Amino acid sequence: KQEVTQIPAALSVPEGENLVLNCSFTDSAIYNLQWFRQDPGKGLTSLLLIQSSQREQTSGRLNASLDKSSGRSTLYIAASQPGDSATYLCAVSLSNSGNEKLTFGTGTRLTIIP
Amino acid sequence: KAGVTQTPRYLIKTRGQQVTLSCSPISGHRSVSWYQQTPGQGLQFLFEYFSETQRNKGNFPGRFSGRQFSNSRSEMNVSTLELGDSALYLCASSPSGRVDYGYTFGSGTRLTVV
Repeated sequence: KQEVTQIPAALSVPEGENLVLNCSFTDSAIYNLQWFRQDPGKGLTSLLLIQSSQREQTSGRLNASLDKSSGRSTLYIAASQPGDSATYLCAVSLSNSGNEKLTFGTGTRLTIIP
Repeated sequence: KAGVTQTPRYLIKTRGQQVTLSCSPISGHRSVSWYQQTPGQGLQFLFEYFSETQRNKGNFPGRFSGRQFSNSRSEMNVSTLELGDSALYLCASSPSGRVDYGYTFGSGTRLTVV
């Protein structure tokens, strides 16, 4: 059974700092990994999607890496801003065989201090 | 381009009642998945529909059911509500059900059972 863990559960950093969020998964046979952010009481906003054949993806100040063999992904946020405060979730999918579902991590609640 | 639309946004129901939630995917998307989010269990997969057929189901009791219509809109039904069913219910759509396109989530329906 795939298990996805995110450490730390909560993180507070001063505005302007660079930071890294971690995601680990137990079954390395993933098809892809997706990072989301969730604002309080809201739905999920997709940030980055990394296919299993890729090592990283970048979007603006965000960079996500994937190391399938070690079962790890990181989300790097450069020059953090108060608007980055949210819960960040990673999710993996195991198959594209028509049996798709996402297995989510427990999330990291990020607070950027102005 | 309209996103994933979930209605209603908020619901309050009494134990024992039943409830129906609705999800309209992005135009052209044929796959709709449902997830339950609670503080204790995080995000858990309920089921996925593609072309009006349920392709995948999570580990939830039979009180949770769903369907998809020919226009790809989906409904989720929970019968005989229990207090533990209080949660944020999220739906996600994908173009063809292939996970390499990633998922787009709606804003969710907040269900409170009293």
